[in-house]
Amino acid sequence: DARVTQTPRHKVTEMGQEVTMRCQPILGHNTVFWYRQTMMQGLELLAYFRNRAPLDDSGMPKDRFSAEMPDATLATLKIQPSEPRDSAVYFCASGMGLAGGNNEQFFGPGTRLTVL
Amino acid sequence: GNSVTQMEGPVTLSEEAFLTINCTYTATGYPSLFWYVQYPGEGLQLLLKATKADDKGSNKGFEATYRKETTSFHLEKGSVQVSDSAVYFCALSGYNFNKFYFGSGTKLNVKP
Repeated sequence: DARVTQTPRHKVTEMGQEVTMRCQPILGHNTVFWYRQTMMQGLELLAYFRNRAPLDDSGMPKDRFSAEMPDATLATLKIQPSEPRDSAVYFCASGMGLAGGNNEQFFGPGTRLTVL
Repeated sequence: GNSVTQMEGPVTLSEEAFLTINCTYTATGYPSLFWYVQYPGEGLQLLLKATKADDKGSNKGFEATYRKETTSFHLEKGSVQVSDSAVYFCALSGYNFNKFYFGSGTKLNVKP
């Protein structure tokens, strides 16, 4: 049963520290998305990749967030320095074909980040 | 532009009640429409989808019909269970869209 995996599942850190979240998309999927979910803002798209190339990262605060795909099996989202307002659940999702298409997005279980 | 609007929650129902969660959309082009469900502590998972007008998506007793004339994709279930308690997201995408557009989510609470 192929699944998107995310690590860590929970992260508590102090303001100013660097945070790295990792995602392993489903093997063979060529699109990867990073979302952030909070009670106030709901589900926000931060960035997405097709064939490892970044297509759009306009949803990310550029000064502190960065997203990369060093290879087809790993996507990373980094926050440096972290701030309390970054506290949220971060989801990775992967899919096949075009970035949208009729194809389903498969979501990982999320990383719950708390910045003190 | 492209957007999805859902009814605000939470929606609270008794077990075996009829469920409707409204969803309307605005899109340039011909999108596919989706309902995703998020159970507590989990990621979103696809519940059902419809790829063209008049299509009906169905799964686990849930149904939604793609209505182009009213730009709607309302989610319905004839008899809800406690286990249906979750947050439901309406979304649109398609071959000419680069990404998914999600609604704000509607929380459903089902009481025994």
